[in-house]
Amino acid sequence: DTGVSQNPRHKITKRGQNVTFRCDPISEHNRLYWYRQTLGQGPEFLTYFQNEAQLEKSRLLSDRFSAERPKGSFSTLEIQRTEQGDSAMYLCASSLREEKLFFGSGTQLSVL
Amino acid sequence: SQQGEEDPQALSIQEGENATMNCSYKTSINNLQWYRQNSGRGLVHLILIRSNEREKHSGRLRVTLDTSKKSSSLLITASRAADTASYFCATDPRGYQKVTFGIGTKLQVIP
Repeated sequence: DTGVSQNPRHKITKRGQNVTFRCDPISEHNRLYWYRQTLGQGPEFLTYFQNEAQLEKSRLLSDRFSAERPKGSFSTLEIQRTEQGDSAMYLCASSLREEKLFFGSGTQLSVL
Repeated sequence: SQQGEEDPQALSIQEGENATMNCSYKTSINNLQWYRQNSGRGLVHLILIRSNEREKHSGRLRVTLDTSKKSSSLLITASRAADTASYFCATDPRGYQKVTFGIGTKLQVIP
């Protein structure tokens, strides 16, 4: 059990650029979640995968955000045409069935 | 959107005192979980209580769940300076495929 791994840890980008983050969950976990967290707030749900199927997506998520989980293993979160309001910590978590979530250390995005 | 709301949003106590945090939620749940986050770090799972359970203990932690009131409480006994962190409740709503978090309680334990 090597834990949930997220890359990169930090990303600085200019407004309008596209960014992609990667999450490697714990290998036997079939559930994978993406959250966004800003300073002083709780994690905000973005999307959820069960194996390779994306089963839930927040209505707050604009069409600039897309996530994939090919083959039910690692996942990527892409943000197109970034805006300053996208600056946040992006957290990935995985779990086995309806059990506790294991979180990665997150990717801190700064949009200049 | 946030499903749960923690109360209080901030709590400051002396080392050795007990800390109580409350969480209210809106919909029926499969389970409720409490997490801890140290400043600038990832979230760490503390305890999970299922909808058919009323109380659960883990070390210095005690969690209660009242599904009729849609509320939960987290009690940390004999607090330590190292308990200083933000604490979040998270609910796994029945019928939905997502775990949603509250806004958290920021706990400061003064040595």
